[in-house]
Amino acid sequence: QSALTQPASVSGSPGQSITISCTGTSSDVGGYGYVSWYQQHPGKAPKLMIYDVTNRPSGVSNRFSGSKSGNTASLTISGLQTEDEADYYCTAYRSSSFYVFGTGTKVTVL
Amino acid sequence: QVQLQESGPGLVKPSQTLSLTCTVSSGSISSGSFYWSWIRQPAGKGLEWIGHISTSGSTTYNPSLKSRLTISADTSKNQFSLRLSSVTAADTAVYYCARVVVPAAIINRGAFDIWGQGTMVPVSS
Repeated sequence: QSALTQPASVSGSPGQSITISCTGTSSDVGGYGYVSWYQQHPGKAPKLMIYDVTNRPSGVSNRFSGSKSGNTASLTISGLQTEDEADYYCTAYRSSSFYVFGTGTKVTVL
Repeated sequence: QVQLQESGPGLVKPSQTLSLTCTVSSGSISSGSFYWSWIRQPAGKGLEWIGHISTSGSTTYNPSLKSRLTISADTSKNQFSLRLSSVTAADTAVYYCARVVVPAAIINRGAFDIWGQGTMVPVSS
């Protein structure tokens, strides 16, 4: 089962904005449309950052925002901070009745 | 605050069955708009959804694991479990249990909002 496609790495300087893409197909991202995003620090469990494409759970900084166009969803981190350095994963529901994760993106703060 | 905790053997031999249990505290696994899921992550690699069980006990599995997989629940203990048979080294991973919040009971809106800390399961002789 093929994963959603994310860039392997994205980097930025403190204070800058970065965007991570998540590309799927009309059977997942483009079809059902509901994408969520997770942050994972080394040795830790993932943490939900965005759900329903654009919504932030309580307690998640408003520096994190999500969007979607067609078969590609995006996570933008604005005002990049050192604690944002982590791996990020997207996920979506696929039409054959299961969830699929993205390949993961390592964010480096320069 | 709902919390999840995985438990199980630290090592499984090839061809044997991997069994894990997730204990849920401060919340019932048999009520609410939730599913209860298993996810795994091989060392240095990405996340893979394994499957989930609903509050009514229905299950859905990743097609790539379906022939070897059973997810069940014990509501009296507020636990759900994973059994993966005929394991190989490729099944070595950190296994997480997670709650899937499903707004308006629409499964494709599901998001993994609460995770256990994960448990490493090596498959080795």
